[in-house]
Amino acid sequence: GNSVTQMEGPVTLSEEAFLTINCTYTATGYPSLFWYVQYPGEGLQLLLKATKADDKGSNKGFEATYRKETTSFHLEKGSVQVSDSAVYFCALSDSSYKLIFGSGTRLLVRP
Amino acid sequence: EPEVTQTPSHQVTQMGQEVILRCVPISNHLYFYWYRQILGQKVEFLVSFYNNEISEKSEIFDDQFSVERPDGSNFTLKIRSTKLEDSAMYFCASTPSAVTDTQYFGPGTRLTVL
Repeated sequence: GNSVTQMEGPVTLSEEAFLTINCTYTATGYPSLFWYVQYPGEGLQLLLKATKADDKGSNKGFEATYRKETTSFHLEKGSVQVSDSAVYFCALSDSSYKLIFGSGTRLLVRP
Repeated sequence: EPEVTQTPSHQVTQMGQEVILRCVPISNHLYFYWYRQILGQKVEFLVSFYNNEISEKSEIFDDQFSVERPDGSNFTLKIRSTKLEDSAMYFCASTPSAVTDTQYFGPGTRLTVL
C-alpha cells in the first residue's frame, strides 16, 4: 500500500544553518505530495505542495521538489531561524484523496 | 482568512463514556475528514465524508465511531464507548473539492480517556 517514510528526528541545528529533511514515498499512480508543519500546541498547517513530477513547492524559504525517479520529496531551507522549530510532516494524497502521513521530524533550531 | 475550527480544545472523559467532537469546516468546502494523532506517533486517517455520507473509512474507524453533519455547518465525530487507546489528538480537515486536494486542518481536540 501507499506509505511515506521520513528521517528520524530530532534534527538540531544552529540558526542560519542549512536544513534538509528527507522524505520518500511508495505509491501507485501519481500522488500529490505535501509538507505540513505543526508548531508547539497547534494544529497542522500546509507548508508547501507539489502535484506532479519535477514540480517544486516553495513557501517561507522552504522548498521541496517532486522527484519521481527517486520517489522523494525532501524538504530544504537555506537558513533556518529559531521560529522554524516545529514538527514537519511529509504526506501524500492517494487516489481517494485521503492524506497518508510520515511519522514526522522534529526540528530544533538553537540561537 | 477562513479557518477550520474545533471544539472543545481538550476533552477528558471516563472509559466507556460517549464523546462528541465538533468541527466547523470552512464554509464553501464540500469534503470533510477526521484524522487522529496518538501522542508521539504519526497522523492517521480515520474517515472522509462527502454529500452526507462516508466516502472512505480506515480500519481504525470501527462501529464505535460515527460521523454526522447535522446542520450544514457542523461536522461531528462521535465515539460511543471510549477506550483508553482512544486518547489522542483528533484533527478535522476540509477541502473545497477532492480534485483540489489541499486539506485545511483545524487546531485539533485533545481527547484524554481515563
